[in-house]
Formats: sequence, C-alpha cells, structure tokens
Amino acid sequence: GAGVSQSPSNKVTEKGKDVELRCDPISGHTALYWYRQSLGQGLEFLIYFQGNSAPDKSGLPSDRFSAERTGGSVSTLTIQRTQQEDSAVYLCASSYSGGSNIQYFGAGTRLSVL
Amino acid sequence: GQSLEQPSEVTAVEGAIVQINCTYQTSGFYGLSWYQQHDGGAPTFLSYNGLDGLEETGRFSSFLSRSDSYGYLLLQELQMKDSASYFCAVRAAVENTGRRALTFGSGTRLQVQP
Repeated sequence: GAGVSQSPSNKVTEKGKDVELRCDPISGHTALYWYRQSLGQGLEFLIYFQGNSAPDKSGLPSDRFSAERTGGSVSTLTIQRTQQEDSAVYLCASSYSGGSNIQYFGAGTRLSVL
Repeated sequence: GQSLEQPSEVTAVEGAIVQINCTYQTSGFYGLSWYQQHDGGAPTFLSYNGLDGLEETGRFSSFLSRSDSYGYLLLQELQMKDSASYFCAVRAAVENTGRRALTFGSGTRLQVQP
C-alpha cells in the first residue's frame, strides 16, 4: 500500500478482555516495528520483525503481550487480559530493511481500557 | 542502554528561528534522527545525521557532534503548521543481538504563536 495502515484506529475495551491490533506495512518493507506511546510521552519500543528472522521481543512489557507477522507482511499485536495501564496509542512502523535509517509510521491505534 | 534528553516544551513566534537540543548517552552509536508528530498523527521522518556536521532540508536543519553526544534540530521561518512534537532518536547497537535499534526521546512540544 501507499503507507502503513493500522486498524482499528480506536479501540475501547473492558478490563480483562483480549484485543488484537493490526498493522499492514508498506509493500516491500522487510522490517516492522511496534511501539507504544502514552499521552504526552515518547515512543516505547515493543517488538521488531525482520524478514524471516526470529523477532526481537525485548520491549514487550509482560507475557500478556504477543505479536506475530504472517507471510512477512501483516502483523497482529495481541494483548491478553487487558489492564487499565495498557491504555495508550500503539504505533506500527515499517522500513525497507532493518538497516534503514527511516521508519514509516502508521497513524496508530488508540486503545482505551475501561 | 540508551538515554536521550530534550526539552519538554518550546514556544516561539511565527517567522522566528528555534533550536531543539538533544543530548544522548549510548554505546555503539550509529546516528541521530529527528521525527515530527502532530497531535493525533503519525510520527514522520525529518532528518538523519550519521556523521558530524549540519544537514539542511529546506527550512529544517539538523546538527550532530558525536564527540559531545549532542545534536539539534533547527527550524527557520517558523510557521503555524510547525506546531507539533519533535522527537530525537538515536540509532545504536542492541546488546547481544547485533541489531541497530532506534531509541526515541520523550519529545519536545513546539508551540508557534502568531
């Protein structure tokens, strides 16, 4: 596609429910990143996918968070048993390769856990 | 790990020049990037410095001094549309992975006044 696409743009859920956030990167980009941004804060790295290599999961805050990338393209970030502190904007970015200096971001999914 | 410091807020008037500083601490440094994010929008890439010196792109310039672990973003001829948050991001080696990852600062909120 023309840019990084994320869905849904907004998600409201109840505490304890599971949520899935989707990211469709720019076609041909082999690297994909997930970040979390709390209100007025910087970007917190969550997970990185590069081609067929094992993902770098070092930023995932707990085992309730997981992500997969199917066919080297679309990625899904899953948060199980959501907590109120999970409320944030979840941003996805892609780059041509892991060595690229430029990351292209989607508009994010704003998650609100009630 | 990496750490970055940048001012939380800057205010300037239309037509003025503003400089946003960024200092960092990291090992295995590979470059400093700047991203712009309007409220509710996606971060967008502005500039990258891999070597010391000044990079100019239109009204925006970015500077890097690796010996001082310091860089800045210079915005000239400020316009109202420049009101946004600006993030510096350091590209550095991640321990035990060989991967070069971006770590973002907390962002500087620039408010341009008429």
